[in-house]
Amino acid sequence: AQSVTQLDSHVSVSEGTPVLLRCNYSSSYSPSLFWYVQHPNKGLQLLLKYTSAATLVKGINGFEAEFKKSETSFHLTKPSAHMSDAAEYFCVVVTSGNTGKLIFGQGTTLQVKP
Amino acid sequence: NAGVTQTPKFQVLKTGQSMTLQCAQDMNHEYMSWYRQDPGMGLRLIHYSVGAGITDQGEVPNGYNVSRSTTEDFPLRLLSAAPSQTSVYFCASSRTGGLVAREAFFGQGTRLTVV
Repeated sequence: AQSVTQLDSHVSVSEGTPVLLRCNYSSSYSPSLFWYVQHPNKGLQLLLKYTSAATLVKGINGFEAEFKKSETSFHLTKPSAHMSDAAEYFCVVVTSGNTGKLIFGQGTTLQVKP
Repeated sequence: NAGVTQTPKFQVLKTGQSMTLQCAQDMNHEYMSWYRQDPGMGLRLIHYSVGAGITDQGEVPNGYNVSRSTTEDFPLRLLSAAPSQTSVYFCASSRTGGLVAREAFFGQGTRLTVV
């Protein structure tokens, strides 16, 4: 069975410093992985996705994530945080067969301090 | 192209009342699903559908019913509301099948309070 664990429930950074949001997954086959972002009182927006092509995936707003099979990780990074990045971030694995069924991590709240 | 539309955005119910949360998508997606979001728990799958006439239970189905009579619509019914159903509800849709997992599109959410 697939599962995903976000290692930090809350991350706080200063504006202009790097962002690292950590995600580990468990899957018996090569997974498809997504990162979604949710701004306060909004729906979820796709940041980026990994689907077994390039292991380094670039997304919107300067975010990227690297798929590391040996570490079963899919950490999200950004070189320089912006105030508008403050939001909740979800790491998501898609279940087998590409049926569309998503399994969410618990979420990481990113705080950006001026 | 409206994407995924959920109504209402906010709702307050009394314990024991019933109601239906509406979800509609205009992207001709086969897969639709309902999630509830609670603090510290991410989103948990309530029910899902892989096409018209086909529904199945997710992780937390108790107290909820769904039906899928058309590709576009996937309403979620609360049979007898309980305070434990106070949550934010999200509807999502996506294409299915193929070699590559598809992006899910989410509605704006329904914030439900049961008193």
